[in-house]
Amino acid sequence: AQKITQTQPGMFVQEKEAVTLDCTYDTSDQSYGLFWYKQPSSGEMIFLIYQGSYDEQNATEGRYSLNFQKARKSANLVISASQLGDSAMYFCAMREAQGGKLIFGQGTELSVKP
Amino acid sequence: KAGVTQTPRYLIKTRGQQVTLSCSPISGHRSVSWYQQTPGQGLQFLFEYFSETQRNKGNFPGRFSGRQFSNSRSEMNVSTLELGDSALYLCASSLAGHHGDNEQFFGPGTRLTVL
Repeated sequence: AQKITQTQPGMFVQEKEAVTLDCTYDTSDQSYGLFWYKQPSSGEMIFLIYQGSYDEQNATEGRYSLNFQKARKSANLVISASQLGDSAMYFCAMREAQGGKLIFGQGTELSVKP
Repeated sequence: KAGVTQTPRYLIKTRGQQVTLSCSPISGHRSVSWYQQTPGQGLQFLFEYFSETQRNKGNFPGRFSGRQFSNSRSEMNVSTLELGDSALYLCASSLAGHHGDNEQFFGPGTRLTVL
């Protein structure tokens, strides 16, 4: 069965420093997509970054980059130059080969300190 | 282009009532998925619709149902509400909903409280 594991329930980072949020996944599919979302206290899920299983390059979107290690089945999110507005819950998710169903991890609550 | 919209944003109901939530996907997106988020269970997949057909279904009782219209808008219905149905209900839309589809955007959610 497909599964996403986020082992860090909470993380603290100093403003302007970089932080890595861990995500490991389990699947027997060869084709899949990996997503990271940010959920502030307002509740809206904000799309951050996507990595396809066949993408050879690690995905980057502004201050966000995804450290994709396929053999280790990990898809860690790296946030560079943290800002106070980055404080939120962060979810890693995987989409199956067919269909739009996302499987989510339990999330990591990130707190950025001034 | 406009994002995913969900109505209503907040809803208060009593046990035994039924409720209908609405989701309008991003223009051109044909896949709509619904999720329930609670503090205890996290984010759980309810169902997915693609071209007016239910393509995937999560592990929820039959009280939870949905449909999709020809314009890709989707509705979700919960009948005979229970206290445990109190949750944030999120809708997500994507182009086609397969592994190569790099778009999957969420709406702001509907926060349902059952008293």
